[in-house]
Amino acid sequence: DAKTTQPNSMESNEEEPVHLPCNHSTISGTDYIHWYRQLPSQGPEYVIHGLTSNVNNRMASLAIAEDRKSSTLILHRATLRDAAVYYCILSQLAGGTSYGKLTFGQGTILTVHP
Amino acid sequence: DTGVSQNPRHKITKRGQNVTFRCDPISEHNRLYWYRQTLGQGPEFLTYFQNEAQLEKSRLLSDRFSAERPKGSFSTLEIQRTEQGDSAMYLCASRTDGVPEAFFGQGTRLTVV
Repeated sequence: DAKTTQPNSMESNEEEPVHLPCNHSTISGTDYIHWYRQLPSQGPEYVIHGLTSNVNNRMASLAIAEDRKSSTLILHRATLRDAAVYYCILSQLAGGTSYGKLTFGQGTILTVHP
Repeated sequence: DTGVSQNPRHKITKRGQNVTFRCDPISEHNRLYWYRQTLGQGPEFLTYFQNEAQLEKSRLLSDRFSAERPKGSFSTLEIQRTEQGDSAMYLCASRTDGVPEAFFGQGTRLTVV
């Protein structure tokens, strides 16, 4: 599995934007970039995913570099409920139908200050 | 649908005892995954099923660990002769083909004393 590198921790203030970086210099052409987050005492939850183009959903935006060797998860206005560990994961779409298993790294611990 | 359900939520057992955990995935999700997570680490993949077939097992999964998914619905993870190093959160996730989102349960926290 291709490897991702994330900062161990980041801090933000409430209602400010947060940019969480992820490096994946060995990404292959068929790797999708997934982001999950894990709130305290919860299982991970899906945030967003993309392949080449930038993506937006109700939770966040995903900005993917043109060479795909890095990506950034953007939380537009951080809230206290966004304090979590954020994981950047690469996963392939096998046979065009199923995404592969998720291989988690250590993620980035996001602290949000009131 | 109430999401992925795991039981029990907590289990304390003595070293050497056997334990079994259950995971009920979201209905009609054909893929089911087991992970283990220790404090301060990301979840580690253990094994996964497509329907009732166990398609992949991690090298982390020693002979003391066994997982089943009879009839392709719920799954069980059994640990025989538990050791203190087995203490961890055991997470289950499910997803369906063509959809990237995997849904995780809240996990079973195992403490081996």
